[in-house]
Amino acid sequence: QQQVKQSPQSLIVQKGGISIINCAYENTAFDYFPWYQQFPGKGPALLIAIRPDVSEKKEGRFTISFNKSAKQFSLHIMDSQPGDSATYFCAANYGGATNKLIFGTGTLLAVQP
Amino acid sequence: DVKVTQSSRYLVKRTGEKVFLECVQDMDHENMFWYRQDPGLGLRLIYFSYDVKMKEKGDIPEGYSVSREKKERFSLILESASTNQTSMYLCASSEEFDNEQFFGPGTRLTVL
Repeated sequence: QQQVKQSPQSLIVQKGGISIINCAYENTAFDYFPWYQQFPGKGPALLIAIRPDVSEKKEGRFTISFNKSAKQFSLHIMDSQPGDSATYFCAANYGGATNKLIFGTGTLLAVQP
Repeated sequence: DVKVTQSSRYLVKRTGEKVFLECVQDMDHENMFWYRQDPGLGLRLIYFSYDVKMKEKGDIPEGYSVSREKKERFSLILESASTNQTSMYLCASSEEFDNEQFFGPGTRLTVL
């Protein structure tokens, strides 16, 4: 119940294409679902996040789609660019003062020019 | 900008050595976290602290301990390093009721 399952493990997309990464969870107490982006040699950084009261959130080329009944959420990167090549982690959190995050296993995205 | 710094980018230690990894944040955050990152396993929480001198075990605390004597500093201690502790170690911090965690650049530890 504490896991967040992420797929695929790696993804190759052509420049201009759509990158899609999926995550699934079991614990219905989770109330915050962020995506983190990590470039080589750097720590992860928050990219975009969603709460379960909305089904979609868009920030520029990045969109989170959230399906509460299926307990799934996904990251869509539109018009993927070589600069988007990075590792992406989904995560979940059930709030409280400590704000622990449970991370997925990560997806290595390579956008080919 | 929030800044989380880690004392070393790369560290090589011998089996059985005591290892200290230091993390400092400059934004007066209440929460601090230590993760290890391994290929195919993602980020796994080792320990976290929600206040000075307070700590709680994460998902994989075995073989590790932590210390938080000052609000801005959170140390991870490997009492007797083993080869299976070779990994990337990431420190993060967050405000008390804010979900966003800010990460340091990581320390790649190799235990020989």
